[in-house]
Amino acid sequence: AQSVTQLGSHVSVSEGALVLLRCNYSSSVPPYLFWYVQYPNQGLQLLLKYTSAATLVKGINGFEAEFKKSETSFHLTKPSAHMSDAAEYFCAVSRTSGSARQLTFGSGTQLTVLP
Amino acid sequence: GAVVSQHPSWVICKSGTSVKIECRSLDFQATTMFWYRQFPKQSLMLMATSNEGSKATYEQGVEKDKFLINHASLTLSTLTVTSAHPEDSSFYICSATGLAGGQGTQYFGPGTRLLVL
Repeated sequence: AQSVTQLGSHVSVSEGALVLLRCNYSSSVPPYLFWYVQYPNQGLQLLLKYTSAATLVKGINGFEAEFKKSETSFHLTKPSAHMSDAAEYFCAVSRTSGSARQLTFGSGTQLTVLP
Repeated sequence: GAVVSQHPSWVICKSGTSVKIECRSLDFQATTMFWYRQFPKQSLMLMATSNEGSKATYEQGVEKDKFLINHASLTLSTLTVTSAHPEDSSFYICSATGLAGGQGTQYFGPGTRLLVL
């Protein structure tokens, strides 16, 4: 069964500092992994996804994530935090259920950016 | 591209009434749509998966008679909360996967906040 674990339900960084949000996965097959961002009272927006091509994936808004099979990790990073990055971030893994591919989400990490 | 809309964005209703929420894929054909429920400060809980033209598949613990899902076309799915009660108050989010969604990429709607009085 596929699952993801997000370490740290809350992360605070100063504006301009490095952002690192952790995600570890468990999968018996090569996984498809995703990072989504959710702003208050909104749906989820796709930041980036890993689909077994390049291990370093670049997404929108300056975010990137690196797939590390040896560490079963897919951590999300951004070199310099901006106030507008404050949001909830979800890591997800795709799994097959019947004829559909479903997403299993982590518990989420709330990112706070301090001025 | 890959825009999903939901309507209404928020709704307040009286206990015992039914509420319908629409989910539309605006610029792609959604072969599969998903309905989630999200409680405050929590992750998304998958309620059901629906494929166009067939019955929805509900997750364990979700009452199919209470949460009616219809996926009548490749661009529209509806969730009807029947005989709503205050405990049904929540944030409901839909997502859609297109024909090229073999990797499982889902595109999410903006959500509908339901408050049952």
